[in-house]
Amino acid sequence: GESVGLHLPTLSVQEGDNSIINCAYSNSASDYFIWYKQESGKGPQFIIDIRSNMDKRQGQRVTVLLNKTVKHLSLQIAATQPGDSAVYFCAENLYGQNFVFGPGTRLSVLP
Amino acid sequence: DAGITQSPRHKVTETGTPVTLRCHQTENHRYMYWYRQDPGHGLRLIHYSYGVKDTDKGEVSDGYSVSRSKTEDFLLTLESATSSQTSVYFCATLPGQGNNEQFFGPGTRLTVL
Repeated sequence: GESVGLHLPTLSVQEGDNSIINCAYSNSASDYFIWYKQESGKGPQFIIDIRSNMDKRQGQRVTVLLNKTVKHLSLQIAATQPGDSAVYFCAENLYGQNFVFGPGTRLSVLP
Repeated sequence: DAGITQSPRHKVTETGTPVTLRCHQTENHRYMYWYRQDPGHGLRLIHYSYGVKDTDKGEVSDGYSVSRSKTEDFLLTLESATSSQTSVYFCATLPGQGNNEQFFGPGTRLTVL
């Protein structure tokens, strides 16, 4: 399959622990943000999104936090499972329907 | 995955040859995108389309052209492939009309020797 990247920042967590993945975005005018999950050999898959008028949004086992003051986005995964192992990308909506993607973080779940 | 297919899934070609990658979607999404993904980089936008025959350049468009003659198909052409275009290419679609979720295809691995 298609590999993602060999030199990504890596976060290793124990199964069952919570994971926090961070992302810095570039443009203070961005009004919409998305987190994607990319498993080995697959295309990115939407996890959760948040608009700039919100600070926090929760999904099933995932929470996204937005700090516009420091242009920072985080993804929290509760009770991390082996199936969560993947590369996670944040993306910001810069203009229209176009997005800029971060370089990604590899999450490795340890048994 | 919005019924997105990419063809071919793998291709090896030689420097200087033309290459066309195809993206096909079955969800009638208005917007379509071509990205490349390289080690250490996030996805970088090559070209995108906001409707039939309506396309525009992205961040890394040099050496690439696109065409969209039908809603369901978005073609990416490398006029004369170079080794720097060795990459994994992803197509994506976006419904529009207030829905900004992007759906990605499975990717095409292109190697230019």
